[in-house]
Amino acid sequence: KAGVTQTPRYLIKTRGQQVTLSCSPISGHRSVSWYQQTPGQGLQFLFEYFSETQRNKGNFPGRFSGRQFSNSRSEMNVSTLELGDSALYLCASSGLDGLYEQYFGPGTRLTVT
Amino acid sequence: KQEVTQIPAALSVPEGENLVLNCSFTDSAIYNLQWFRQDPGKGLTSLLLIQSSQREQTSGRLNASLDKSSGRSTLYIAASQPGDSATYLCAVRNMDSNYQLIWGAGTKLIIKP
Repeated sequence: KAGVTQTPRYLIKTRGQQVTLSCSPISGHRSVSWYQQTPGQGLQFLFEYFSETQRNKGNFPGRFSGRQFSNSRSEMNVSTLELGDSALYLCASSGLDGLYEQYFGPGTRLTVT
Repeated sequence: KQEVTQIPAALSVPEGENLVLNCSFTDSAIYNLQWFRQDPGKGLTSLLLIQSSQREQTSGRLNASLDKSSGRSTLYIAASQPGDSATYLCAVRNMDSNYQLIWGAGTKLIIKP
């Protein structure tokens, strides 16, 4: 069974640009969660999608948005990038009703210059 | 509001020792608790999931316990090896706040050869 995949793995963007990250969950999983991880702030929850609906949302500005498609693949978008958005963005999927074990992808390393 | 604490923030022990990592939470109304490890620059790897009705789970040299009434979980690692060096995080799935995962800040473990 393939694991959670994230694309791209590395990304360099300029301040003010926008970026879209993609996550494909484990086959059959309907819950996808997104996290931002930085050395200073640790792991911070962005949002969770279940069956194409946003179920939970963290405390991030509106520049951060996401969506989930009918095949459970998810994308997150960050508009008007700031230097502080440089981070490792992690995606995780969970099976059944999305309340069980979370499996993480390798992450996308975003660098904003 | 649920808070998850992991103490100590860092731990260094000689190879071969048995060790215990701690995770405490303030609200006992949890659905489950999960332990993860993270190697530098990588995604998180799920280690053990304990449902709220369970007292412990075991996988190889790892044993996780859960005491909901006291708001504590421990991760026991037997016969530690240098490959166990990583950051260990615990997360509780809260029954309030729409079953959102609440994370501890992690314990950075170093096993000295």
